Amino acid sequence: AQSVTQPDIHITVSEGASLELRCNYSYGATPYLFWYVQSPGQGLQLLLKYFSGDTLVQGIKGFEAEFKRSQSSFNLRKPSVHWSDAAEYFCAVGRGGATNKLIFGTGTLLAVQP
Amino acid sequence: ETGVTQTPRHLVMGMTNKKSLKCEQHLGHNAMYWYKQSAKKPLELMFVYNFKEQTENNSVPSRFSPECPNSSHLFLHLHTLQPEDSALYLCASSQAGQGLVYEQYFGPGTRLTVT
Repeated sequence: AQSVTQPDIHITVSEGASLELRCNYSYGATPYLFWYVQSPGQGLQLLLKYFSGDTLVQGIKGFEAEFKRSQSSFNLRKPSVHWSDAAEYFCAVGRGGATNKLIFGTGTLLAVQP
Repeated sequence: ETGVTQTPRHLVMGMTNKKSLKCEQHLGHNAMYWYKQSAKKPLELMFVYNFKEQTENNSVPSRFSPECPNSSHLFLHLHTLQPEDSALYLCASSQAGQGLVYEQYFGPGTRLTVT
């Protein structure tokens, strides 16, 4: 069965520092991978997606993610974090079929220190 | 209005009340979803509709009753809820699956409190 693991429940970084959020997936075929962000009291916003092709994917708000098949990982990165990046981040894997279903990880809560 | 909207944003109801959550998407999509988001638990998919037909019900208790009158609107009717049903209820939409995977677009959610 498909699954997504986000090993870090909570991460704190200083403003201006680099960021990497980890995501590992379990999926038998070529995965469709997503990163979403959720600000307090809001819904989930799509940051980026990987379907095929270049393994380094650029997203909105200066985020990027790299798909590494050998490590079953899809880590999210940002070179310089801003205070407004404080939010919860969710990795998801998509499963095709009759229903377009996304399997979400449990999320990583990012705090940004001034 | 753009994207996916949900009303109300906040709802407090007693266990004997009946209420409904509304979702509307303005993206021209054919699939709509209800999710439940509780503290410290993964996002739980509740229901999926493709082209107005329910294609997935993840063992959701019958006190939750979805309705999809057309591809743009989705309702979740609530009755005799329990306190453990308190959560953020998220609606999402996407292109219909039909064997492929598409990104889902989420509304802001309805924060439900059952007293």
